[in-house]
Amino acid sequence: GAGVSQSPSNKVTEKGKDVELRCDPISGHTALYWYRQSLGQGLEFLIYFQGNSAPDKSGLPSDRFSAERTGGSVSTLTIQRTQQEDSAVYLCASSFNSGMETQYFGPGTRLLVL
Amino acid sequence: DQQVKQNSPSLSVQEGRISILNCDYTNSMFDYFLWYKKYPAEGPTFLISISSIKDKNEDGRFTVFLNKSAKHLSLHIVPSQPGDSAVYFCAATGGKLIFGQGTTLQVKP
Repeated sequence: GAGVSQSPSNKVTEKGKDVELRCDPISGHTALYWYRQSLGQGLEFLIYFQGNSAPDKSGLPSDRFSAERTGGSVSTLTIQRTQQEDSAVYLCASSFNSGMETQYFGPGTRLLVL
Repeated sequence: DQQVKQNSPSLSVQEGRISILNCDYTNSMFDYFLWYKKYPAEGPTFLISISSIKDKNEDGRFTVFLNKSAKHLSLHIVPSQPGDSAVYFCAATGGKLIFGQGTTLQVKP
């Protein structure tokens, strides 16, 4: 389809392992965002890419989290040495531009760290 | 520091009645506000928005009200339908989007 896609849809991992989450934004969208929603919590901003500008990493909770966006399209969120508190739904969104543009969300990746 | 707050985690309303979801914010630099709706196992979808230069925006059964002096916005759904049952997030931006914690709305038939 033409929407934002994310993979995998579900991921179960053991504490201490690294995980990679992928996001394919809507074609032509220059802005890409990563959020996470922990159980019972709201959406927490993680990182934001806009075109070729340096990403806004201000929401990353620790240095175990990193993200990159290759070729201005696909993005990968990497969590190293996962902890149980990393268990959450990780959501990716894209928009045509940044600021007031409506963001379109993917279905999310449900991460469970055992 | 929670810049956008939805103090009611849940709300239950009878079908046909009005649903009112509330949201408070602390940052006076926010200039655009949005409501998103989220069904289980799906990503949030955009519902309605309002610019800080307005105090009301209406789209069908959905109306968003903004009270800048009180730093408060609300979403009114009337009449409420069972299909409106979902989690509703308010969000504000003056740059990046900041979301509230969400309010789970249940509309009973």
